[in-house]
Amino acid sequence: DSGVTQTPKHLITATGQRVTLRCSPRSGDLSVYWYQQSLDQGLQFLIQYYNGEERAKGNILERFSAQQFPDLHSELNLSSLELGDSALYFCASSSGLLGGYTFGSGTRLTVV
Amino acid sequence: EDKVVQSPLSLVVHEGDTVTLNCSYEVTNFRSLLWYKQEKKAPTFLFMLTSSGIEKKSGRLSSILDKKELFSILNITATQTGDSAVYLCASRSGNTPLVFGKGTRLSVIA
Repeated sequence: DSGVTQTPKHLITATGQRVTLRCSPRSGDLSVYWYQQSLDQGLQFLIQYYNGEERAKGNILERFSAQQFPDLHSELNLSSLELGDSALYFCASSSGLLGGYTFGSGTRLTVV
Repeated sequence: EDKVVQSPLSLVVHEGDTVTLNCSYEVTNFRSLLWYKQEKKAPTFLFMLTSSGIEKKSGRLSSILDKKELFSILNITATQTGDSAVYLCASRSGNTPLVFGKGTRLSVIA
């Protein structure tokens, strides 16, 4: 157990639907990162939060949004889902901005 | 745009072989390079390198960084089937989030 908890582990949903992925960072970590991993693209950075504030944005679609709550857990919302959104979504956390990340076990999203 | 390129994309070796995985990077304000191992799900941290020429070692794994030529290698000696995984390289520019390469899939056969 890495200390980063992601739920749910698996999600199957239909095109056009909306889902919410949840992440609890490792205790004491203030930074939360969301990454998308698909077979041909590797790990693609989506968005980062640091102590409740959005810190950096990557290739995140407008249909996707995220937030970090006062207890530091984070949620990634994906709406108007398309088949191409099927992927593994990872959350990672770190204590500062320069260290390594600890990854959660991911949420596998399948859009049918 | 920051970029990390890993080679080879996949590799099959026999137990006991030594392998070298390559990672080249192009970043505007290099801060560090990291290696991760991804077996089934979550990537797990292996090494973080910030200085050229200083080898980091953990058991049969070692890694070194060349900041002049902008690359890093990950060596695994006396490979075992348990080393089968995807090895990810990532670079950091300034305070920005890690940029990952596509990974090298290593398969070690008995």
